[in-house]
Amino acid sequence: GQMEESGGGLVQPGGSLRLSCAASGFSFSNYVAQWVRQAPGKGLEYISAISSNGGTTYYADSVKGRFTISRDNSKNTLDLQLGSLRLEDTAVYYCAGGNFPVHWGQGTLVTVSS
Amino acid sequence: EVVMTQSPATLSVSPGERATLSCRASQSVRSNLAWSQHKPGQAPRLLIYDASTRATGTPARFGGSGSGTEFTLTISSLQSEDFAVYYCHQYNDWPQTFGQGTKVEIK
Repeated sequence: GQMEESGGGLVQPGGSLRLSCAASGFSFSNYVAQWVRQAPGKGLEYISAISSNGGTTYYADSVKGRFTISRDNSKNTLDLQLGSLRLEDTAVYYCAGGNFPVHWGQGTLVTVSS
Repeated sequence: EVVMTQSPATLSVSPGERATLSCRASQSVRSNLAWSQHKPGQAPRLLIYDASTRATGTPARFGGSGSGTEFTLTISSLQSEDFAVYYCHQYNDWPQTFGQGTKVEIK
């Protein structure tokens, strides 16, 4: 299976950005999907997840209230809406499919800077 | 949350040698542990899940062991393509958490 992210870029503090991820090669709709990020020089942080039917979501405290995860099983896509962005949100964002990260994307860089 | 601690931070190994990476959980995660391989510019790759099951396509030289709080990833004979950063990851409890990684570098 494969995941492919898009939507990263440079954004100012306080701004918004939408990341998208397209899944292929596995039964995306049967599994949890998640977003993991890695800030420069730091480790991996599990920031958000969504159940297979989209009915249950999880957010790390660091992004709760600012980020929104969603999925469209008819299109095999996973999205992450990023809002009220802070400098510390600068990171490579990975989407991953599976009940834990099994199928990973290559990552998309989000840079928050003025 | 469950804190995952990996050791060592960096492992210097010669090609053909054996590498042993450790991962410790702050509380039992049973066998709900995975190992993934990360290389710059590439999609991370799942190697091992359920502590010891090789993922599809994982070479037999990669082996996982352990349960509860102590886990090990062994690479029996390092190949050039194995030099990378390896992360352990628990999925027993929410939130799922990662170790800080072990970089395997050429000696």
